[in-house]
Amino acid sequence: AQSVTQPDIHITVSEGASLELRCNYSYGATPYLFWYVQSPGQGLQLLLKYFSGDTLVQGIKGFEAEFKRSQSSFNLRKPSVHWSDAAEYFCAVGDNQGGKLIFGQGTELSVKP
Amino acid sequence: ETGVTQSPTHLIKTRGQQVTLRCSSQSGHNTVSWYQQALGQGPQFIFQYYREEENGRGNFPPRFSGLQFPNYSSELNVNALELDDSALYLCASSSWGLAVEQYFGPGTRLTVT
Repeated sequence: AQSVTQPDIHITVSEGASLELRCNYSYGATPYLFWYVQSPGQGLQLLLKYFSGDTLVQGIKGFEAEFKRSQSSFNLRKPSVHWSDAAEYFCAVGDNQGGKLIFGQGTELSVKP
Repeated sequence: ETGVTQSPTHLIKTRGQQVTLRCSSQSGHNTVSWYQQALGQGPQFIFQYYREEENGRGNFPPRFSGLQFPNYSSELNVNALELDDSALYLCASSSWGLAVEQYFGPGTRLTVT
């Protein structure tokens, strides 16, 4: 069965420090992978996506993610975190045949001044 | 370009009542998906609509139903509300050719008492 695991429920980083949020997926074929960000009480904003090709993808707000098929991972990174990055981050895997997205439990990011 | 909009923002219902939530898709999109996000959880796929027909359904009972209209807007109806239906309901729109690349609205917060 398709699934997504985000091992870290909550991460705290200092402003200006680098960030890596982990995501592991289980999927039978080549996955469509996404990272979304959600501010409190808000909807989801698409940060970046991977469909095929270059395994390092760039997104908005200075985020990037790397697809590693051998590790079934799609980790999100940012070289320097800003206080405004504090939010909940969701990794998702999708099946373009059915159009359904399967989400992880999310990682809450806190940023220390 | 107009984004996904949802109404109402919040509502409170009593157990056993029925509720209708509305969604207008992003301009240029013809596919609408609905998700339920319980507190502290990732979104769960309810169903997807394309050409006014249901195209895929998650693990939700029949009392969750939907409609899509010719202008691609959509409704989610929930009958016989239960306390566990309290959640953030998210609508996402996409283009049929890439149905899995979904853009989300701000959500409707439903509280069932």
